[in-house]
Amino acid sequence: QSVLTQPPSVSGAPGQRVTISCTGSSSNIGAGYDVHWYQQLPGTAPKLLIYGNSNRPSGVPDRFSGSKSGTSASLAITGLQAEDEADYYCQSYDSSLSAFYVFGTGTKVTVL
Amino acid sequence: QVQLVESGGGLVKPGGSLRLSCAASGFTFSDYYMSWIRQAPGKGLEWVSYISSSGSTIYYADSVKGRFTISRDNAKNSLYLQMNSLRAEDTAVYYCARVMDTNGFDYWGQGTLVTVSS
Repeated sequence: QSVLTQPPSVSGAPGQRVTISCTGSSSNIGAGYDVHWYQQLPGTAPKLLIYGNSNRPSGVPDRFSGSKSGTSASLAITGLQAEDEADYYCQSYDSSLSAFYVFGTGTKVTVL
Repeated sequence: QVQLVESGGGLVKPGGSLRLSCAASGFTFSDYYMSWIRQAPGKGLEWVSYISSSGSTIYYADSVKGRFTISRDNAKNSLYLQMNSLRAEDTAVYYCARVMDTNGFDYWGQGTLVTVSS
């Protein structure tokens, strides 16, 4: 039921930069609704990582950054660390009749 | 600090019912919209339902509409999800989450597992 598309996996060596794309449509990201990102470490609940497209909650390292353009958004992790190995999900609001809040398909980040 | 604690999960037969609860603390519960979100084993996140701060506005995902009912008791700082006519595909960890004014979810509970199986 996900209507936001993410790559299934991305990987990088420690210290490298990786990006995760999130592609939506004119009823969600393209309509101007905010994009939020969540990090889910193995066996734990999701945690808010980026809100309002590019804002970091208190305590989130500035290695994480978000951006949005048109019908897509991106999450960048610079200076990749071992503890960043997790699943990452984007999320937005959708104005279509069949959805309200929509999540991305999820991306597994592997630190090589 | 904000805490959300879910309970009520378990094993139920197809067609059965279950009521989930979410106890909130550390913030003024009655000021916030709340949601239920679920995650099937090994799968991604799926939004299930939303309720406004007063309980007057409610939305459901198409996959649960007509079977699930969200409610809240602001006096008890609690959120609920009544799940009826459960199906195998409802098997998931169910999270309650606080809704931000930007329509994201800033706090999540630890989740409660619902397993629908005969």
